[in-house]
Amino acid sequence: SQQGEEDPQALSIQEGENATMNCSYKTSINNLQWYRQNSGRGLVHLILIRSNEREKHSGRLRVTLDTSKKSSSLLITASRAADTASYFCATGENTNAGKSTFGDGTTLTVKP
Amino acid sequence: DGGITQSPKYLFRKEGQNVTLSCEQNLNHDAMYWYRQDPGQGLRLIYYSQIVNDFQKGDIAEGYSVSREKKESFPLTVTSAQKNPTAFYLCASSLMQGRQPQHFGDGTRLSIL
Repeated sequence: SQQGEEDPQALSIQEGENATMNCSYKTSINNLQWYRQNSGRGLVHLILIRSNEREKHSGRLRVTLDTSKKSSSLLITASRAADTASYFCATGENTNAGKSTFGDGTTLTVKP
Repeated sequence: DGGITQSPKYLFRKEGQNVTLSCEQNLNHDAMYWYRQDPGQGLRLIYYSQIVNDFQKGDIAEGYSVSREKKESFPLTVTSAQKNPTAFYLCASSLMQGRQPQHFGDGTRLSIL
């Protein structure tokens, strides 16, 4: 079963606007990762946030993690047409197996 | 440049045929993974391996098999027992399972003839 669930499923915005995507999960985690996937390509890692961190930045990306609500958000500021892609969260289990489980993703379309 | 190479990019399978998807990495990563992605959906874990000569089933291992004879290589065989193999297959690797980001190849798209 999927651990991370992204919301919304699809998001369409104008260039220059901010985009916010949310991820909810069910069990205890060691970390949470966000990835981007361009159509027909593999996933590219964006940010990893550990369970003891609350916020992390990388360029125009800002990720927050609320372990009490079991949720995370990814904010892309000043979006560009090149940000058009699917975005996935993946939760790293807090177990010996330590598997990562991916959600179904948010498809972001940024219109020029 | 270090990375993960998947081949072929496109693959066609006939009824009753086994096919093998290649995945090679030169990142010196210990952990490797195979995922299946269906249209409009997320990734589902097929198999993963933490070290050479060891691998574990993921959530949808039925109809698939793997081997890990070398650190760099983690081939996936889609057997004839997998009745719905049409999908996009992604291979990934990481330094430490579940605790580090995964690096992905560009995938193999498998279709049925």
